[in-house]
Amino acid sequence: EVQLVESGGGLVQPGGSLRLSCATSGFTFSSYWMSWVRQAPGKGLEWVANIKEDGSEKYYVDSVKGRFTISRDNAMNSLYLQMNSVRAEDTALYYCARGRRDYWGQGTLVTVSS
Amino acid sequence: DIVMTQTPLSSPVTLGQPASISCRSSQSLVHSDGNTYLSWLQQRPGQPPRLLIYKISNRFSGVPDRFSGSGAGTDFTLKISRVEAEDVGVYYCMQATQFPVTFGGGTKVEIK
Repeated sequence: EVQLVESGGGLVQPGGSLRLSCATSGFTFSSYWMSWVRQAPGKGLEWVANIKEDGSEKYYVDSVKGRFTISRDNAMNSLYLQMNSVRAEDTALYYCARGRRDYWGQGTLVTVSS
Repeated sequence: DIVMTQTPLSSPVTLGQPASISCRSSQSLVHSDGNTYLSWLQQRPGQPPRLLIYKISNRFSGVPDRFSGSGAGTDFTLKISRVEAEDVGVYYCMQATQFPVTFGGGTKVEIK
């Protein structure tokens, strides 16, 4: 069974940092692109970042470029999102998703507030 | 960026009746590899999104056959042949032909 479990969310002050993790199981992690997608409270879905199977290519939505970094550890079957210089508008439920977003985790909530 | 526009915003439906959701993209979603990376996702209340349809019309594993997708180029449709109570939620179209990946604003399906 494919499973994705996000962690690392919480309350962070504007300008602060947070590192999200996504632990996966039930599939060959190193064979898939992976994504982060977020959803602000009561809003729709926004793609955040993608990373290629071997980590050699990374893509970001403009609003997080230079502040967020997506990475992965294929030996640990894990995906990460390093969030720096966070802003109030980064407040959202952050989901990790496999490949072309065929499986999703339950999400981890990030709240940016002073 | 490719803008995805969904209509209607809300769709009140009688149980057992059909429902239809439209999605229009601001440019063609045909990829250089010949595929069209248009997907439909369902998000039930309090749940993460779930993939229903990929590449316009392919049902994902475990998705009931009352869900179907169609379209081409810039115009796409999701149909539910007979709405059941478990279909209540918000439906999103999503394009992955070009970065950034973008989503429609969502259509809320509710029971009358």
